[in-house]
Amino acid sequence: DQQVKQNSPSLSVQEGRISILNCDYTNSMFDYFLWYKKYPAEGPTFLISISSIKDKNEDGRFTVFLNKSAKHLSLHIVPSQPGDSAVYFCAAVHGYTGNQFYFGTGTSLTVIP
Amino acid sequence: GAVVSQHPSRVICKSGTSVKIECRSLDFQATTMFWYRQFPKQSLMLMATSNEGSKATYEQGVEKDKFLINHASLTLSTLTVTSAHPEDSSFYICSATRPGPRVEAFFGQGTRLTVV
Repeated sequence: DQQVKQNSPSLSVQEGRISILNCDYTNSMFDYFLWYKKYPAEGPTFLISISSIKDKNEDGRFTVFLNKSAKHLSLHIVPSQPGDSAVYFCAAVHGYTGNQFYFGTGTSLTVIP
Repeated sequence: GAVVSQHPSRVICKSGTSVKIECRSLDFQATTMFWYRQFPKQSLMLMATSNEGSKATYEQGVEKDKFLINHASLTLSTLTVTSAHPEDSSFYICSATRPGPRVEAFFGQGTRLTVV
């Protein structure tokens, strides 16, 4: 049972425009959410996170929005750059159960120069 | 720099042999490490949770006798793929969470296993 879902397997965006990656979850006990970026044949690297007590967190070109009522979060990248081309995974953590991360299926972002 | 180191990054082995993959936390002690497997164009699938000093906890459908996990110290966990078959060929990734006020997982570089 996939508790974290990314319904768009791929996304193409023109350089300089905004990239919006979406993620939905089903478990209301999740209280911390993270986005990871992954290049082929490499391990994921942490990008940005948000606690369930917030609805927005911004770090440079990256902003994560959390809508708890809809159980939905999104990652905005603006402006998008070719180097942003990678697979992006969202992850959720249920603090009560410890540090097991639940990952979405990933969205492959291609930024076109 | 990397805080979790995984080795080797790439290995090719013959069918029937065993392969050991190491995962080290470099600047913190990790009582728990996780092993993931990624199939092409698919998400990271948790295989098992490695607990220092005790037996690993395996996810449903993962053969514990085939994927042996040892977490002998607070900085090292190993995954041994025993009697490897071509269908075991995959990308294996470990992660460790660093203690602190914010939950965060650090991932190893991954190991591309090819069984021929």
